[in-house]
Amino acid sequence: DAKTTQPTSMDCAEGRAANLPCNHSTISGNEYVYWYRQIHSQGPQYIIHGLKNNETNEMASLIITEDRKSSTLILPHATLRDTAVYYCIVRVQGTYKYIFGTGTRLKVLA
Amino acid sequence: EAQVTQNPRYLITVTGKKLTVTCSQNMNHEYMSWYRQDPGLGLRQIYYSMNVEVTDKGDVPEGYKVSRKEKRNFPLILESPSPNQTSLYFCASSPRTASSYEQYFGPGTRLTVT
Repeated sequence: DAKTTQPTSMDCAEGRAANLPCNHSTISGNEYVYWYRQIHSQGPQYIIHGLKNNETNEMASLIITEDRKSSTLILPHATLRDTAVYYCIVRVQGTYKYIFGTGTRLKVLA
Repeated sequence: EAQVTQNPRYLITVTGKKLTVTCSQNMNHEYMSWYRQDPGLGLRQIYYSMNVEVTDKGDVPEGYKVSRKEKRNFPLILESPSPNQTSLYFCASSPRTASSYEQYFGPGTRLTVT
């Protein structure tokens, strides 16, 4: 099954860029990478997704390596409200099953 | 307001007593899904549905049933709950078949089975 690997936790200073890495070496050619975040025990919130090209929206940027085996979510100016667990997920090939994993707990420090 | 709603938000029940957690979305989404979240294990997918009358197993379907008789509703049924089903449950929906669209999550249902 498609699987992602993320660091368990990271700290980032407020106002600095937060760079969250994700490995997804088993991703297939037509599978998207999605990023979500979860604040406390609220429902996860969609951030961004991508296939091959780098993507940017009002929340974040997503950098995907050329071989697509890893990606990085960038929060350009982290704020205290960005403290959350960030999940990088892919879909299991040929299905609509999503494997979330345990995510990265990002703590933004004042 | 576009949203996914779940009921109840909190439930304490006893082993073996059948229960249903409802999920409803008002966005006309084709795709709906149920997840459970346990400490240290992240979110795990239980069942999903690609449209009315079309459902399939996720990663941890044992002990659960679902049905999709209407597009907007996707209830999760525990026929005989056990303590290992104590968890935080999330319902999600997405337009089309979720191939490249984000999932919208409900607020969660915290279930305790004693």
